[in-house]
Amino acid sequence: DTAVSQTPKYLVTQMGNDKSIKCEQNLGHDTMYWYKQDSKKFLKIMFSYNNKELIINETVPNRFSPKSPDKAHLNLHINSLELGDSAVYFCASTLGILANYGYTFGSGTRLTVV
Amino acid sequence: ELKVEQNPLFLSMQEGKNYTIYCNYSTTSDRLYWYRQDPGKSLESLFVLLSNGAVKQEGRLMASLDTKARLSTLHITAAVHDLSATYFCAVDGGSGGGADGLTFGKGTHLIIQP
Repeated sequence: DTAVSQTPKYLVTQMGNDKSIKCEQNLGHDTMYWYKQDSKKFLKIMFSYNNKELIINETVPNRFSPKSPDKAHLNLHINSLELGDSAVYFCASTLGILANYGYTFGSGTRLTVV
Repeated sequence: ELKVEQNPLFLSMQEGKNYTIYCNYSTTSDRLYWYRQDPGKSLESLFVLLSNGAVKQEGRLMASLDTKARLSTLHITAAVHDLSATYFCAVDGGSGGGADGLTFGKGTHLIIQP
């Protein structure tokens, strides 16, 4: 199936731990994004990459570090997890930076920090 | 800073009725998207609106874009229970340079009762 796939789907971890979320798309897109959806369902962009290069880095703590080994993958590593990091993280991709064909979202990773 | 406002944020309606969700945004953009999200699920793309006056229809849903008024509407005709979900509008752009990602409205939680 062509899609944006994220792993893991659920992640429960203790404060202070380091964790990673992986994202892969097989749509041939060249631009990928990370979004955070908080407990009130508000969605906010965190990062965008175009052809492996960082384009946008919104006001996100340095504990969050995206990595794009190639244009089909965009991973998110989070250091020293805090309670406030609990959220659903969505990966998305587009063809071209102007997204004329829309954005395709992954299924999300629900992160719970305890 | 681009701001996107949706209203209403909560809507309870009866099956068979018509209603409109409004989406206003604060800066010049001609790329607007509507998404549907079911509880615990990802974002499903409904409409991609890329020019002033764009109108798209799919089943009981119709979306339009007025870039001069910075307004998009999502109209629901003869609502059915299956349309119960949270609907988000999102605007692309901020810098105009591309890969800006989406700025989302807060979402409209729609409940359609028999």
